[in-house]
Amino acid sequence: QVQLQESGPGLMKPSETLSLTCSVSGASITSAYWNWIRQTPGKRLEWIGYTHHSGNTKYNPSLKSRVTMLVDMSKNHFSLRLDSVTAADTALYYCARWDEGLKAFNIWGQGTMVTVSS
Amino acid sequence: EIVLTQSPGTLSLSPGERATLSCRASQSVSSSYLVWYQQKPGQAPRLLIFGSSSRATGTPDRFSGSGSGTDFTLTISRLEPEDCAVYYCQQYGSSLPLTFGGGTKVEI
Repeated sequence: QVQLQESGPGLMKPSETLSLTCSVSGASITSAYWNWIRQTPGKRLEWIGYTHHSGNTKYNPSLKSRVTMLVDMSKNHFSLRLDSVTAADTALYYCARWDEGLKAFNIWGQGTMVTVSS
Repeated sequence: EIVLTQSPGTLSLSPGERATLSCRASQSVSSSYLVWYQQKPGQAPRLLIFGSSSRATGTPDRFSGSGSGTDFTLTISRLEPEDCAVYYCQQYGSSLPLTFGGGTKVEI
């Protein structure tokens, strides 16, 4: 059974860099495309991007200039880095597995809340 | 960017009634890439329907999806109390970004 678990700082100040990690259990990190999705306080879902062990990454154009995603095969986890955060980045951040056969996110983590406040 | 507009925003119905949720796209979306998720309070979204009409593992058969082009529908044939949730549509097309609709809240 594949499970995902996000970890992150919780509370941040504006202009800081957000770093999140998603630990994958029950599957190899080489088995899929791995995504970050966030949900705003207003419950809107926004796709941030995906990463793959091959180095293939795609980001949402609205965030592309501030986002970096990486896979760490030795730890079987992947990460998100978001530079220069503002209050608008306050959200519940989910990691999710993209199933290429279903063309859908079939496994989600429980989410980690990130609040940006001075 | 393809914008998905869901309606209504909130649907209040009684157990046993039929719920019809709409997802309208600003551009044509391949049926293969239209997905529905269910999100209950305090939980992550859960895959409900993929390929616009195929039920995911564990999805009861009272849930059905249909549509093509720019108009897609999620139907719950006979509402159960456990169907209280927010339902999101999502598209993945040839051009990024992947986008979600704003959600429809179903109250029972």
